[in-house]
Amino acid sequence: DSGVTQTPKHLITATGQRVTLRCSPRSGDLSVYWYQQSLDQGLQFLIQYYNGEERAKGNILERFSAQQFPDLHSELNLSSLELGDSALYFCASSPQLARSGNTIYFGEGSWLTVV
Amino acid sequence: EDQVTQSPEALRLQEGESSSLNCSYTVSGLRGLFWYRQDPGKGPEFLFTLYSAGEEKEKERLKATLTKKESFLHITAPKPEDSATYLCAVGADKLIFGTGTRLQVFP
Repeated sequence: DSGVTQTPKHLITATGQRVTLRCSPRSGDLSVYWYQQSLDQGLQFLIQYYNGEERAKGNILERFSAQQFPDLHSELNLSSLELGDSALYFCASSPQLARSGNTIYFGEGSWLTVV
Repeated sequence: EDQVTQSPEALRLQEGESSSLNCSYTVSGLRGLFWYRQDPGKGPEFLFTLYSAGEEKEKERLKATLTKKESFLHITAPKPEDSATYLCAVGADKLIFGTGTRLQVFP
């Protein structure tokens, strides 16, 4: 158990809909990351927040957005869903920003299926 | 642009048959090389971080090594429970992952 908690574990929704994925980082971790893993793309970095502020952005679609709240939990919002958005979405956390010894721990993921 | 290439894509081993997985990388400046293990439908489980050429780390039957261009994950006398996909990544906050090596160990 990495200590990173994600909900829901599984989600099935229709095209055009909007969903919210939630992540609670490990106790004390200030950085939260979101990754997407699909069969044909592998693990892709989406976005990072540090202590409530957006820190880095990857190939995140404009239909997707995220935020980190004062209690450090984070939410990833996916809207106008398309079939191709079906994937495993991982949240990860680390204590601080990049430096030696900064290990990034992953949650168990949220399976999103768009039908 | 940072890139990570892992080989082989898949590896089948008999229990006890040692082998190595390769991770070749191209980065503008290495800030860390990470090895993770991922079981089907699960999140990546952290194994090792390496920071400089010549560095080695061990954990049970696994040993990770690092050179200036690649890293190896050596598996000594593997057991069926070592079956998983092994992922290599480089970076710091934004990790760039390889596509992984799917390892199957048969009794």
